[in-house]
Amino acid sequence: DTGVSQNPRHKITKRGQNVTFRCDPISEHNRLYWYRQTLGQGPEFLTYFQNEAQLEKSRLLSDRFSAERPKGSFSTLEIQRTEQGDSAMYLCASSPTRPVTGVGELFFGEGSRLTVL
Amino acid sequence: DAKTTQPNSMESNEEEPVHLPCNHSTISGTDYIHWYRQLPSQGPEYVIHGLTSNVNNRMASLAIAEDRKSSTLILHRATLRDAAVYYCIQIQGAQKLVFGQGTRLTINP
Repeated sequence: DTGVSQNPRHKITKRGQNVTFRCDPISEHNRLYWYRQTLGQGPEFLTYFQNEAQLEKSRLLSDRFSAERPKGSFSTLEIQRTEQGDSAMYLCASSPTRPVTGVGELFFGEGSRLTVL
Repeated sequence: DAKTTQPNSMESNEEEPVHLPCNHSTISGTDYIHWYRQLPSQGPEYVIHGLTSNVNNRMASLAIAEDRKSSTLILHRATLRDAAVYYCIQIQGAQKLVFGQGTRLTINP
């Protein structure tokens, strides 16, 4: 399968612990995005990378959140000192810089579900 | 961020056409309209996009109003697998999708 891969798919943690999610994008895609989705809501933009450069961060991304894409390939999203409000699905998506089908075609992974107890 | 307005939910029957409306009254001349859908327990997937003229692909058709302030996603013959949340998104500038709450489409057998 050559789609966007996310790990782990599910994570249960206690409040105050740190968690890290990994995203492996489609190999030729330069752009990588992180979104967060809570039950019944649409995905909320968190941040995106062009190769290894983090180009935009949402105000939703508090200082407990950090994302990296060190070699312009896979990315990690770390949440420090988790809170119950962090419980959500964390979605990763990738996109070619010049998508074949026009502006904004993103390919999403299946997400990493976080439950903070 | 640009806002679109969609009905919260719609219902249709299997093998019938479905018309999903979207209002984007603040759209400007260079804003694209994109549609994504999200099946249960999956990430969103691209459906179709357009700028000014109507567009067709293997999944759906997109009809854009002449004033571009609204559009309609058309599923020509709905199947049970089309049951999903459909998001209409107005793209401005850089490739950042801003999702609303979408329309939850239910297909009755």
